[in-house]
Amino acid sequence: GAGVSQSPRYKVTKRGQDVALRCDPISGHVSLYWYRQALGQGPEFLTYFNYEAQQDKSGLPNDRFSAERPEGSISTLTIQRTEQRDSAMYRCASSLAADRVYNEQFFGPGTRLTVL
Amino acid sequence: AQSVTQLDSHVSVSEGTPVLLRCNYSSSYSPSLFWYVQHPNKGLQLLLKYTSAATLVKGINGFEAEFKKSETSFHLTKPSAHMSDAAEYFCVGVRGSGNTGKLIFGQGTTLQVKP
Repeated sequence: GAGVSQSPRYKVTKRGQDVALRCDPISGHVSLYWYRQALGQGPEFLTYFNYEAQQDKSGLPNDRFSAERPEGSISTLTIQRTEQRDSAMYRCASSLAADRVYNEQFFGPGTRLTVL
Repeated sequence: AQSVTQLDSHVSVSEGTPVLLRCNYSSSYSPSLFWYVQHPNKGLQLLLKYTSAATLVKGINGFEAEFKKSETSFHLTKPSAHMSDAAEYFCVGVRGSGNTGKLIFGQGTTLQVKP
Protein backbone atom coordinates (compact mmCIF):
# COMPACT_ATOMS: atom_id res chain seq x y z
CA GLY A 1 0.00 0.00 0.00
CA ALA A 2 1.10 3.53 -0.65
CA GLY A 3 -0.24 5.14 2.50
CA VAL A 4 0.23 4.91 6.24
CA SER A 5 -1.53 1.91 7.71
CA GLN A 6 -2.58 1.27 11.27
CA SER A 7 -3.82 -1.82 13.01
CA PRO A 8 -6.12 -2.71 14.46
CA ARG A 9 -8.65 -0.19 13.20
CA TYR A 10 -10.83 -0.78 16.23
CA LYS A 11 -9.85 -2.11 19.62
CA VAL A 12 -12.16 -2.74 22.55
CA THR A 13 -10.51 -3.76 25.79
CA LYS A 14 -11.29 -3.99 29.45
CA ARG A 15 -9.87 -1.64 32.01
CA GLY A 16 -6.51 -2.86 33.29
CA GLN A 17 -5.51 -4.70 30.11
CA ASP A 18 -2.49 -3.76 28.02
CA VAL A 19 -2.91 -2.81 24.37
CA ALA A 20 -0.45 -2.45 21.50
CA LEU A 21 -1.25 -0.26 18.51
CA ARG A 22 0.73 -0.65 15.33
CA CYS A 23 1.72 1.88 12.70
CA ASP A 24 3.28 1.06 9.34
CA PRO A 25 4.57 4.28 7.76
CA ILE A 26 5.10 5.10 4.12
CA SER A 27 8.21 3.35 2.88
CA GLY A 28 11.26 5.57 3.09
CA HIS A 29 9.75 8.05 5.51
CA VAL A 30 12.23 8.97 8.19
CA SER A 31 9.91 10.59 10.71
CA LEU A 32 6.98 8.96 12.45
CA TYR A 33 4.53 10.67 14.78
CA TRP A 34 1.81 9.53 17.18
CA TYR A 35 -1.19 11.67 18.04
CA ARG A 36 -4.25 11.09 20.20
CA GLN A 37 -7.64 12.53 19.31
CA ALA A 38 -10.42 12.63 21.85
CA LEU A 39 -14.00 12.87 20.64
CA GLY A 40 -14.80 16.37 19.47
CA GLN A 41 -11.21 17.54 19.77
CA GLY A 42 -8.27 18.00 17.45
CA PRO A 43 -5.39 15.51 17.55
CA GLU A 44 -2.76 16.06 20.25
CA PHE A 45 0.90 15.22 19.82
CA LEU A 46 2.20 12.26 21.81
CA THR A 47 5.67 11.39 20.54
CA TYR A 48 7.82 11.16 17.43
CA PHE A 49 10.77 9.29 15.98
CA ASN A 50 13.47 9.99 13.47
CA TYR A 51 14.54 6.58 12.20
CA GLU A 52 14.59 4.40 15.33
CA ALA A 53 15.41 7.22 17.74
CA GLN A 54 12.61 8.63 19.85
CA GLN A 55 13.20 12.37 19.58
CA ASP A 56 10.47 13.68 21.80
CA LYS A 57 8.03 11.96 24.12
CA SER A 58 6.83 15.04 25.92
CA GLY A 59 3.23 14.45 24.87
CA LEU A 60 2.90 11.01 26.43
CA PRO A 61 0.38 11.48 29.28
CA ASN A 62 2.09 9.25 31.85
CA ASP A 63 4.41 6.29 32.18
CA ARG A 64 1.73 3.80 31.15
CA PHE A 65 2.29 5.00 27.60
CA SER A 66 5.36 4.00 25.63
CA ALA A 67 6.37 3.77 22.00
CA GLU A 68 9.10 2.13 20.03
CA ARG A 69 10.35 1.91 16.47
CA PRO A 70 13.18 -0.62 16.75
CA GLU A 71 14.14 -0.88 13.09
CA GLY A 72 13.22 2.59 11.99
CA SER A 73 10.09 1.51 10.17
CA ILE A 74 7.07 0.02 11.96
CA SER A 75 6.19 1.58 15.29
CA THR A 76 4.18 0.30 18.22
CA LEU A 77 2.41 2.44 20.79
CA THR A 78 1.76 0.48 23.98
CA ILE A 79 -0.63 1.43 26.73
CA GLN A 80 -0.32 -0.55 29.93
CA ARG A 81 -3.09 -1.02 32.48
CA THR A 82 -5.60 0.82 30.33
CA GLU A 83 -8.09 3.18 31.89
CA GLN A 84 -11.38 4.48 30.56
CA ARG A 85 -9.86 7.91 30.00
CA ASP A 86 -7.49 6.33 27.45
CA SER A 87 -10.42 5.82 25.08
CA ALA A 88 -9.71 7.87 21.95
CA MET A 89 -8.63 7.71 18.33
CA TYR A 90 -4.90 7.12 18.07
CA ARG A 91 -3.39 8.47 14.88
CA CYS A 92 -0.03 7.83 13.32
CA ALA A 93 1.64 10.01 10.70
CA SER A 94 4.88 9.84 8.76
CA SER A 95 6.93 12.31 6.79
CA LEU A 96 10.09 12.32 4.73
CA ALA A 97 12.01 14.07 7.49
CA ALA A 98 11.40 16.33 10.45
CA ASP A 99 14.28 18.65 9.68
CA ARG A 100 12.07 20.60 7.33
CA VAL A 101 8.90 21.75 8.98
CA TYR A 102 7.06 22.02 5.70
CA ASN A 103 7.36 18.35 4.93
CA GLU A 104 3.82 17.05 4.80
CA GLN A 105 2.78 14.56 7.42
CA PHE A 106 0.70 11.75 5.95
CA PHE A 107 -1.81 10.35 8.38
CA GLY A 108 -3.11 6.83 8.75
CA PRO A 109 -6.79 6.02 9.31
CA GLY A 110 -6.31 5.72 13.06
CA THR A 111 -7.09 3.11 15.69
CA ARG A 112 -10.26 3.68 17.67
CA LEU A 113 -9.57 2.46 21.22
CA THR A 114 -12.44 1.88 23.60
CA VAL A 115 -11.71 0.93 27.19
CA LEU A 116 -14.67 -0.54 29.04
CA ALA B 1 5.03 28.18 21.49
CA GLN B 2 2.46 28.63 18.76
CA SER B 3 -1.26 28.05 19.19
CA VAL B 4 -4.26 28.11 16.88
CA THR B 5 -7.89 28.87 17.58
CA GLN B 6 -10.73 27.94 15.28
CA LEU B 7 -13.54 30.39 15.84
CA ASP B 8 -16.45 28.18 14.75
CA SER B 9 -17.10 24.63 15.81
CA HIS B 10 -19.78 24.18 13.16
CA VAL B 11 -20.46 25.92 9.84
CA SER B 12 -23.41 25.21 7.59
CA VAL B 13 -23.64 26.42 3.99
CA SER B 14 -25.75 25.64 0.97
CA GLU B 15 -24.22 23.94 -2.03
CA GLY B 16 -22.81 26.48 -4.44
CA THR B 17 -22.34 29.23 -1.83
CA PRO B 18 -18.99 30.43 -0.46
CA VAL B 19 -17.24 28.75 2.44
CA LEU B 20 -15.36 30.60 5.19
CA LEU B 21 -13.70 28.71 8.03
CA ARG B 22 -11.94 31.00 10.48
CA CYS B 23 -8.64 30.45 12.24
CA ASN B 24 -6.54 32.76 14.39
CA TYR B 25 -3.03 31.98 15.48
CA SER B 26 -0.66 33.22 18.12
CA SER B 27 3.06 33.06 17.61
CA SER B 28 6.06 35.06 18.66
CA TYR B 29 7.79 34.32 15.38
CA SER B 30 6.94 33.61 11.78
CA PRO B 31 4.48 30.76 12.02
CA SER B 32 4.06 27.61 10.01
CA LEU B 33 0.39 27.03 9.32
CA PHE B 34 -1.64 24.32 7.63
CA TRP B 35 -5.21 23.29 6.99
CA TYR B 36 -6.09 19.60 7.17
CA VAL B 37 -9.40 17.95 6.29
CA GLN B 38 -10.84 14.81 7.81
CA HIS B 39 -13.61 12.93 6.06
CA PRO B 40 -15.57 10.35 8.03
CA ASN B 41 -13.67 7.11 8.57
CA LYS B 42 -10.66 8.43 6.71
CA GLY B 43 -7.29 9.80 7.68
CA LEU B 44 -6.38 13.46 7.83
CA GLN B 45 -5.44 15.00 4.49
CA LEU B 46 -3.38 18.13 3.93
CA LEU B 47 -5.36 20.84 2.13
CA LEU B 48 -2.71 23.54 2.03
CA LYS B 49 0.28 24.96 3.86
CA TYR B 50 1.69 28.41 4.50
CA THR B 51 5.42 28.53 3.84
CA SER B 52 5.93 32.32 3.99
CA ALA B 53 6.60 32.43 0.26
CA ALA B 54 3.19 33.96 -0.46
CA THR B 55 0.40 35.18 1.78
CA LEU B 56 -2.34 33.71 -0.42
CA VAL B 57 -2.01 29.96 -0.46
CA LYS B 58 -3.89 27.74 -2.88
CA GLY B 59 -4.70 24.18 -1.95
CA ILE B 60 -6.49 21.19 -3.31
CA ASN B 61 -10.16 21.02 -4.29
CA GLY B 62 -10.44 24.77 -4.85
CA PHE B 63 -9.63 25.80 -1.28
CA GLU B 64 -7.35 28.69 -0.45
CA ALA B 65 -6.23 30.53 2.66
CA GLU B 66 -4.79 33.96 3.23
CA PHE B 67 -2.17 34.65 5.87
CA LYS B 68 -2.81 38.05 7.46
CA LYS B 69 -0.16 39.00 9.95
CA SER B 70 -1.92 42.19 11.03
CA GLU B 71 -4.98 40.17 12.00
CA THR B 72 -3.09 37.00 13.07
CA SER B 73 -5.52 35.06 10.92
CA PHE B 74 -5.34 32.21 8.43
CA HIS B 75 -8.92 31.75 7.26
CA LEU B 76 -9.85 29.00 4.81
CA THR B 77 -12.15 29.87 1.90
CA LYS B 78 -13.73 28.34 -1.14
CA PRO B 79 -15.88 30.25 -3.65
CA SER B 80 -18.49 27.55 -4.13
CA ALA B 81 -19.22 24.66 -1.77
CA HIS B 82 -19.74 21.15 -3.05
CA MET B 83 -21.51 18.36 -1.25
CA SER B 84 -18.24 16.43 -1.08
CA ASP B 85 -16.71 19.25 0.99
CA ALA B 86 -18.71 18.18 4.03
CA ALA B 87 -16.07 17.13 6.54
CA GLU B 88 -14.15 18.30 9.58
CA TYR B 89 -11.43 20.89 9.01
CA PHE B 90 -8.46 21.57 11.24
CA CYS B 91 -6.25 24.62 11.34
CA VAL B 92 -2.80 23.48 12.38
CA GLY B 93 0.36 25.11 13.61
CA VAL B 94 3.71 23.82 14.76
CA ARG B 95 4.52 23.52 18.44
CA GLY B 96 7.70 25.18 19.60
CA SER B 97 10.46 26.65 17.54
CA GLY B 98 12.63 24.72 15.17
CA ASN B 99 11.73 22.11 12.66
CA THR B 100 10.39 19.39 14.89
CA GLY B 101 7.23 18.74 12.93
CA LYS B 102 5.16 18.58 16.12
CA LEU B 103 1.79 19.72 14.89
CA ILE B 104 -0.68 21.52 17.10
CA PHE B 105 -4.27 21.25 15.98
CA GLY B 106 -7.18 23.58 16.50
CA GLN B 107 -10.43 22.20 17.87
CA GLY B 108 -11.82 21.62 14.41
CA THR B 109 -14.72 23.02 12.40
CA THR B 110 -17.41 20.73 11.06
CA LEU B 111 -18.60 21.88 7.66
CA GLN B 112 -22.11 20.91 6.69
CA VAL B 113 -23.18 21.41 3.07
CA LYS B 114 -26.90 21.47 2.42
CA PRO B 115 -28.35 20.65 -0.99
